[in-house]
Amino acid sequence: QVQLVQSGAEMKRPGASVKVSCKASGYTFTAYYMHWVRQAPGQGLEWMAWMDPNNGGTYYAQKFQGRVTMTRDTSISTAYMELSRLRSDDAAVYYCARPNCSSTSCHFDYWGQGTLVTVSS
Amino acid sequence: SYELTQPLSVSVALGQTARITCGGNNIGSKSVHWYQQKPGQAPVLVIYRDTNRPSGIPERFSGSNSGNTATLTISRAQAGDEADYYCQVWDSSGVFGGGTKLTVL
Repeated sequence: QVQLVQSGAEMKRPGASVKVSCKASGYTFTAYYMHWVRQAPGQGLEWMAWMDPNNGGTYYAQKFQGRVTMTRDTSISTAYMELSRLRSDDAAVYYCARPNCSSTSCHFDYWGQGTLVTVSS
Repeated sequence: SYELTQPLSVSVALGQTARITCGGNNIGSKSVHWYQQKPGQAPVLVIYRDTNRPSGIPERFSGSNSGNTATLTISRAQAGDEADYYCQVWDSSGVFGGGTKLTVL
């Protein structure tokens, strides 16, 4: 069965960087893009970015451009999301999600368990 | 950028029908997907491409989409349906509605 297992909670200082991992199993890692979605405490879902694990191609939401980097290690079927220059409003649960896409639309049928990132001085 | 509007909260009596709306400009021309999220858990897909239910989702969950409004309908509401519900479309990037808290009375 498809599983996305994320790394554990992180606590960071403002200005630091955080790198969250997402290990995929139960399917061919390179056959599906990987997306990241975050959720601030008590708030809604916010889409961040996608990566093509096949070639490393990425697309970042404009809000995060310049601060977010998605990478992958295909040998261990793991995707990474690194967010730099952390601010207090980056505190959130970060989810990786596997998409199911048609020619015009994508939805997310598998999600990681989420990684809580706390930003505090 | 494309925006989706959901009511903050919806209440429904146990066993009755709940309807959660998602508004967007000509949303009927897009595919709408719905997620259920319970406290401390990751979202779960309950409806995709307007009307389709993933395997394991009860038939009580249904969706529709026309004009400027998409609707998630939950029939015979149960206490276990109490959760936050989010609509989502794809507009060259992922777009989520603000979420609706469903309370089952």
